[in-house]
Amino acid sequence: GENVEQHPSTLSVQEGDSAVIKCTYSDSASNYFPWYKQELGKGPQLIIDIRSNVGEKKDQRIAVTLNKTAKHFSLHITETQPEDSAVYFCAASPYGGSQGNLIFGKGTKLSVKP
Amino acid sequence: EPEVTQTPSHQVTQMGQEVILRCVPISNHLYFYWYRQILGQKVEFLVSFYNNEISEKSEIFDDQFSVERPDGSNFTLKIRSTKLEDSAMYFCASSERRLQETQYFGPGTRLLVL
Repeated sequence: GENVEQHPSTLSVQEGDSAVIKCTYSDSASNYFPWYKQELGKGPQLIIDIRSNVGEKKDQRIAVTLNKTAKHFSLHITETQPEDSAVYFCAASPYGGSQGNLIFGKGTKLSVKP
Repeated sequence: EPEVTQTPSHQVTQMGQEVILRCVPISNHLYFYWYRQILGQKVEFLVSFYNNEISEKSEIFDDQFSVERPDGSNFTLKIRSTKLEDSAMYFCASSERRLQETQYFGPGTRLLVL
């Protein structure tokens, strides 16, 4: 089945710097890749997603890139702020989207230091 | 903004007891999911539900688990005979459609089995 690997597991940056989190997936049929932000004690909140017919998507300070050939996708956060501190999860939807379940990476704990 | 709600927020139970976790998905959504997250680990898919039946389930979702949509608004996860290893955060999610569709997560129920 699908397997999603996520790196790094922890990331510490200074406020204003950029942060990059990378994920790889194993099932070439996967075609939907969301990113979730989880704050302490809360459920995952979708921050951005990308579908396999698109190579890049941007929403203000957040961008996601997808390389289908290499089977990896990345989250880029620019001009980081302390409130960006959270755990970020990437996910992939296997079986080419014929099933709805998401396979998650292990998460990246991002700390933004003021 | 519509959101997924879950009750209770915390549940403590004795090993072998039955628990029912409740969720109210977003009202116009048709697909419902349960995920779990053992402390410090990744979010894992349990089951998806559509049109009053299970669409897909993972290896974790064995015979001790069941799901139900008892009325037009609630979606429940029952664990018949809890085990210590069932201790985790359980998240409900819903989506309007299945294919490549955003899943919105609830805040979770933290289950502790003693």
